[in-house]
Amino acid sequence: GNSVTQMEGPVTLSEEAFLTINCTYTATGYPSLFWYVQYPGEGLQLLLKATKADDKGSNKGFEATYRKETTSFHLEKGSVQVSDSAVYFCALRTPYGQNFVFGPGTRLSVLP
Amino acid sequence: EAGVAQSPRYKIIEKRQSVAFWCNPISGHATLYWYQQILGQGPKLLIQFQNNGVVDDSQLPKDRFSAERLKGVDSTLKIQPAKLEDSAVYLCASSSLWGNEQYFGPGTRLTVT
Repeated sequence: GNSVTQMEGPVTLSEEAFLTINCTYTATGYPSLFWYVQYPGEGLQLLLKATKADDKGSNKGFEATYRKETTSFHLEKGSVQVSDSAVYFCALRTPYGQNFVFGPGTRLSVLP
Repeated sequence: EAGVAQSPRYKIIEKRQSVAFWCNPISGHATLYWYQQILGQGPKLLIQFQNNGVVDDSQLPKDRFSAERLKGVDSTLKIQPAKLEDSAVYLCASSSLWGNEQYFGPGTRLTVT
């Protein structure tokens, strides 16, 4: 079946540190891949996406590259801020359908 | 453009009571999703509508959960009777028919005591 695995949290970093949150997936065919962010008390917001192999999604300084050969979509940011503290969810959308499958989420805390 | 609206934002009920949640998707979005998000976990799809038809309800506990989307716009999700393990945030999301993005509402936090 289709599934998403993320690195376990919580991840605690100091401001301006480099961030990597690992995400790997299992899916039939070639899914679209997403990162969503959930700030405290809010719903999920789309952070970035990639729809085919080698695509790079980027937004607000975050980047992730769709790696078909390693079935991965790791999230990176060069310099995190306190305001980036949130829970990050990796997700896939199955091809030819509209089902979304979410990972368990990774909580990020950025300390000043 | 208005986002996905949900109400209520918070609800506390006792076990064996019933509860209903309401969702109004983004105007023109044909597809509507209900998710259950238990604390510390990712959202789990309960049911997916396309217009007013059900596309996927394989993970909906049909003995106690029901959902409808009359006229292909607003939707309600009902739990009757509630159990302690139903305590979670219930998220509604919508997308256009062939769109590749979901837009989420703020969620309803349900506490069953």
